[in-house]
Amino acid sequence: AQSVTQLGSHVSVSEGALVLLRCNYSSSVPPYLFWYVQYPNQGLQLLLKYTSAATLVKGINGFEAEFKKSETSFHLTKPSAHMSDAAEYFCAVSVTTGGFKTIFGAGTRLFVKA
Amino acid sequence: NAGVTQTPKFRILKIGQSMTLQCAQDMNHNYMYWYRQDPGMGLKLIYYSVGAGITDKGEVPNGYNVSRSTTEDFPLRLELAAPSQTSVYFCASSYQGRDEQYFGPGTRLTVT
Repeated sequence: AQSVTQLGSHVSVSEGALVLLRCNYSSSVPPYLFWYVQYPNQGLQLLLKYTSAATLVKGINGFEAEFKKSETSFHLTKPSAHMSDAAEYFCAVSVTTGGFKTIFGAGTRLFVKA
Repeated sequence: NAGVTQTPKFRILKIGQSMTLQCAQDMNHNYMYWYRQDPGMGLKLIYYSVGAGITDKGEVPNGYNVSRSTTEDFPLRLELAAPSQTSVYFCASSYQGRDEQYFGPGTRLTVT
């Protein structure tokens, strides 16, 4: 069965510090993987996606994620946090096994301290 | 190109009332979805559709109904509203099932 786990419901970093949000997945077939961001009172928007091409994926706003098959991970990073990065982040896995399925993680809220 | 639009933005219902949440997309996407989001619980899939005339249940379909008569529209019907349906509802669409999803701005529903 497919699943996705985000480690840490809340992460707090200082402005300028490294952002690391963790995502592990399980899938019996090669997955598509996504990171979405949700700002307060808005819908989710795509940050980046992995679709079996390059394992290091660059997204919007300076974020990137690396697909590591051996670790079944797809962690999201940004070298230097900005105040505007404060939001909730969702990892998602999408597979097609007899029909599509996209599963979202529970989300990680990122706080950025001045 | 408006993307995914949802109406209304906010609604307060009394227990037992009914309402329809509207969702439309102008991207000619085949797939459309309805999710509910409760605090700290992520997204739960209510219903989805793979094309006009075809709908299927997600994880939490009880108390809801949907229809898909056109590619563009995917309304969600709540019959006999209950306090447990207090939530934020998001509509989304994608071209194919594995593709990234585009989300609407959400409808915040309170049932009292």
